[in-house]
Amino acid sequence: AQTVTQSQPEMSVQEAETVTLSCTYDTSESDYYLFWYKQPPSRQMILVIRQEAYKQQNATENRFSVNFQKAAKSFSLKISDSQLGDAAMYFCAYRSTGNQFYFGTGTSLTVIP
Amino acid sequence: GAVVSQHPSRVICKSGTSVKIECRSLDFQATTMFWYRQFPKKSLMLMATSNEGSKATYEQGVEKDKFLINHASLTLSTLTVTSAHPEDSSFYICSARDRGPLNTEAFFGQGTRLTVV
Repeated sequence: AQTVTQSQPEMSVQEAETVTLSCTYDTSESDYYLFWYKQPPSRQMILVIRQEAYKQQNATENRFSVNFQKAAKSFSLKISDSQLGDAAMYFCAYRSTGNQFYFGTGTSLTVIP
Repeated sequence: GAVVSQHPSRVICKSGTSVKIECRSLDFQATTMFWYRQFPKKSLMLMATSNEGSKATYEQGVEKDKFLINHASLTLSTLTVTSAHPEDSSFYICSARDRGPLNTEAFFGQGTRLTVV
């Protein structure tokens, strides 16, 4: 089974600064998708960004970007110009070829005004 | 688009009773739905994958007779927690995959907080 590891249970960032959340995964598959989801206190899971494994170019969505290192099986999320609304739990997720999603243990992000 | 509605959002039941949770894709057809369980400040644990018109596939360690899953249509999957016990209290989340162009990602319901007393 695939495993997803997030080694930072908690992170904090000053408003307007940049923060990077780490994620590593283990798989024997060559074609897969990786995601970052945000879970605010409402518990609703919100898609932040998606990366196809076959694409070498790192995905970017406005202030959010990833550093995808396929050989190292690393998929970090960079949040630029952090805002108070970015405070949430962030989950890294792996989608297998069988279409199951596997989640990391999450990183709780605090944004300091 | 791509809205998943989960109902109820909160439910309290007595030990020994059964509880049904519904997961609906409102504006797309979902051939596959997933059910997760999330403990406080923990990750989402995949419980089972529900395929329309066929039996659900359960993850290792998940009791299929305890957590009954039915996916009778392309827009509805249900999870029934049978003979609930206090240890079943948790937050349950469903997600659905669009079988159309957006099928690379899953869309999540709002979750259901189950409390068994």
